Amino acid sequence: DQQVKQNSPSLSVQEGRISILNCDYTNSMFDYFLWYKKYPAEGPTFLISISSIKDKNEDGRFTVFLNKSAKHLSLHIVPSQPGDSAVYFCAAAFEGTYKYIFGTGTRLKVLA
Amino acid sequence: ETGVTQTPRHLVMGMTNKKSLKCEQHLGHNAMYWYKQSAKKPLELMFVYNFKEQTENNSVPSRFSPECPNSSHLFLHLHTLQPEDSALYLCASSQEVTENQPQHFGDGTRLSIL
Repeated sequence: DQQVKQNSPSLSVQEGRISILNCDYTNSMFDYFLWYKKYPAEGPTFLISISSIKDKNEDGRFTVFLNKSAKHLSLHIVPSQPGDSAVYFCAAAFEGTYKYIFGTGTRLKVLA
Repeated sequence: ETGVTQTPRHLVMGMTNKKSLKCEQHLGHNAMYWYKQSAKKPLELMFVYNFKEQTENNSVPSRFSPECPNSSHLFLHLHTLQPEDSALYLCASSQEVTENQPQHFGDGTRLSIL
């Protein structure tokens, strides 16, 4: 049973608008969450992370929100750019461990 | 120079062949990882090495044999693989084996078993 779920396999957004990628998890003991971006024929690239003691972390155009009561994580990209078109993976980890539990990814397409 | 380099990028082999995947990291990290990504499945952790010592074997079949001669190099030796082993194999590294040290990935080896 998947502990980290990305229920939307794909998302299309117009350039300049907001992209919202969602991720749900089942285990309330997860302590740390990450987002990775993956272009075709390349490995995943770390994007942004958040600790469970926070509910928001921002880095430039990228903001991650954590709703612990809903066991929900989201990544906001504002404004979206065509270069953001990629597959986005969320991952979760328990405190003190290196075991990342990954979702299956959401393919974002930003339309020019 | 990229942080984590994997070779080869593509590999086609028969079920009776022996081959090795190589990973090298130039980030000065102490931990290295092998992951498997099958089609439409999440990344699965296979092995973890911390300061050259194996700290994780995630129930991986013995036909996959990792080797970590030093903190910068990681190999995955392959022997008598099965068609279901066809996947993307990703190497990663991190400064330490904790959750808040993001893992940096290579571009992967696309493996096809005939």
